[in-house]
Amino acid sequence: AAGVIQSPRHLIKEKRETATLKCYPIPRHDTVYWYQQGPGQDPQFLISFYEKMQSDKGSIPDRFSAQQFSDYHSELNMSSLELGDSALYFCASSNGGDRSIYEQYFGPGTRLTVT
Amino acid sequence: KQEVTQIPAALSVPEGENLVLNCSFTDSAIYNLQWFRQDPGKGLTSLLLIQSSQREQTSGRLNASLDKSSGRSTLYIAASQPGDSATYLCAVPSNSGYALNFGKGTSLLVTP
Repeated sequence: AAGVIQSPRHLIKEKRETATLKCYPIPRHDTVYWYQQGPGQDPQFLISFYEKMQSDKGSIPDRFSAQQFSDYHSELNMSSLELGDSALYFCASSNGGDRSIYEQYFGPGTRLTVT
Repeated sequence: KQEVTQIPAALSVPEGENLVLNCSFTDSAIYNLQWFRQDPGKGLTSLLLIQSSQREQTSGRLNASLDKSSGRSTLYIAASQPGDSATYLCAVPSNSGYALNFGKGTSLLVTP
């Protein structure tokens, strides 16, 4: 079965640089979520999109922005990178509709290292 | 904000034992509850989703129960195997139904 695809899988950037992470949801999934997981931490919700509109927003820094495109893929743009941004970034997708049966499927993650 | 707590934080058992992982949450008005498995440095694999109207869900050797009124869920793993060694996370959606709030996980080690 098709899974959530994230690219790149690994990314090394220097402080103050920018980074773009991409997410391709499972086919026919219309909702995309972004999470950040620091070392030894549980995943923290950043932002989500349903049918290309922002559906919820969590602890996403103002330096970050995201969007969902017409083909439902999503991109997370990160600017002025800081050392503390080093983390695993997960994208998840789900099928919209009845929220009680939402099951979020996670991608393999992008490991971002800021030096 | 929904707070999710998992007990124990770590667990080591010999192969073949049955075990129970616990999850509690503060706001009982949930859409559902998901259990995930995470191997070190890897992604999250969804194990089970229990809808708010359900009491339990089963998948193979895994059985998850949900008691909304008391804000608790348990994940029962039967006949544990070394391959079950991983961190198990439970998560419940926020009031919006989108953002998942995770517990800090239970790190499970099954020894041969």
